[in-house]
Amino acid sequence: SQQGEEDPQALSIQEGENATMNCSYKTSINNLQWYRQNSGRGLVHLILIRSNEREKHSGRLRVTLDTSKKSSSLLITASRAADTASYFCATRSFSGGSNYKLTFGKGTLLTVNP
Amino acid sequence: DSGVTQTPKHLITATGQRVTLRCSPRSGDLSVYWYQQSLDQGLQFLIQYYNGEERAKGNILERFSAQQFPDLHSELNLSSLELGDSALYFCASSVAGRNTEAFFGQGTRLTVV
Repeated sequence: SQQGEEDPQALSIQEGENATMNCSYKTSINNLQWYRQNSGRGLVHLILIRSNEREKHSGRLRVTLDTSKKSSSLLITASRAADTASYFCATRSFSGGSNYKLTFGKGTLLTVNP
Repeated sequence: DSGVTQTPKHLITATGQRVTLRCSPRSGDLSVYWYQQSLDQGLQFLIQYYNGEERAKGNILERFSAQQFPDLHSELNLSSLELGDSALYFCASSVAGRNTEAFFGQGTRLTVV
């Protein structure tokens, strides 16, 4: 079962615009991570935000986390055509013993038009 | 290059057959994860190993099994294959600890005909 659900499923914007993707999850988490996937290729880690953090920045990326609402958002500023990809949120959550699962949502397909 | 190596890249096989997918994690990573990605189900977590031991199980079918060897490479065995098993299978690895990122291989595209 999916832990995270991204919204929207697809997003199309013009180069230079900002892109915002949202993620909602169901259970308590240790951290939330965002990944990017170019078509049919492996996922690449973008940013990790811990459950006790509210906002994090990395270059043109800004991630927020609201644990009370069980939601996160990823903002990509000044988008470029090369940002075209699928973006996934993943939650690290306790799965028993000393184990932590990493569970992904279904992703948002971002298309940046030149 | 993530440092995670998966072989083969592509695999075409018939229904009812058995295949083995192989994963070499990044040097030093003790955790290995397997995921299945299909168009309708998204990225499904299958199983996780840590230093040779199974640590977490997701939506892995009984027809599927995995193991992690002493040299830390892992294999995912898929048997009695069905058309619906056609998907991209990803392996990822990470260092120990919960606040760590996962590094993904390029995947094995399995087509069952």
